[in-house]
Amino acid sequence: GAVVSQHPSRVICKSGTSVKIECRSLDFQATTMFWYRQFPKQSLMLMATSNEGSKATYEQGVEKDKFLINHASLTLSTLTVTSAHPEDSSFYICSARGGGGSPYNEQFFGPGTRLTVL
Amino acid sequence: SQELEQSPQSLIVQEGKNLTINCTSSKTLYGLYWYKQKYGEGLIFLMMLQKGGEEKSHEKITAKLDEKKQQSSLHITASQPSHAGIYLCGAPALNTASKLTFGTGTRLQVTL
Repeated sequence: GAVVSQHPSRVICKSGTSVKIECRSLDFQATTMFWYRQFPKQSLMLMATSNEGSKATYEQGVEKDKFLINHASLTLSTLTVTSAHPEDSSFYICSARGGGGSPYNEQFFGPGTRLTVL
Repeated sequence: SQELEQSPQSLIVQEGKNLTINCTSSKTLYGLYWYKQKYGEGLIFLMMLQKGGEEKSHEKITAKLDEKKQQSSLHITASQPSHAGIYLCGAPALNTASKLTFGTGTRLQVTL
């Protein structure tokens, strides 16, 4: 089946630094990738949708200059949290959707990255 | 915007018991996904329902979609410790069906 990996799985950084999280589709080409964040005991909140080769579409309230998303290839999307602050500490999960005509193609989720900003 | 309310928020059941989790949408459902998440991990796809009245089963888990009620239910028969986790429903939007709005989640614990 489709596998999505994320790297790193955990990262701890100092306030003010930038952190890059990678999301890879290992055995399929992902035309669309999604980035979510999840706070403790809460559900997933969509941050942005990225399509290969084009700019990401951010959800309302998500700062695009703070959360930089790059989807440079059909198997890789990156999320960079710039000038991270403690309130950015969260669990970040990506998902990837393969091509196909069905509007109900399932999303395959990565294992998540836990970011802790000190 | 669409909101998905799950009930109950948390559930503790004894091994072998049956249980049901509900997902109610504030807007029309154009399909419904069910996922399971272990704490601190990614989501595992359980099943996808595409039309009203549809019912799917996988092993001991059955899900139904009631379009009229804008609701879906997930039923686990003879629960096992391996069923423990967080269950999330997700609904695709009409015009951007690839985007999912997730429910509030149901935390399930199965005791021996």
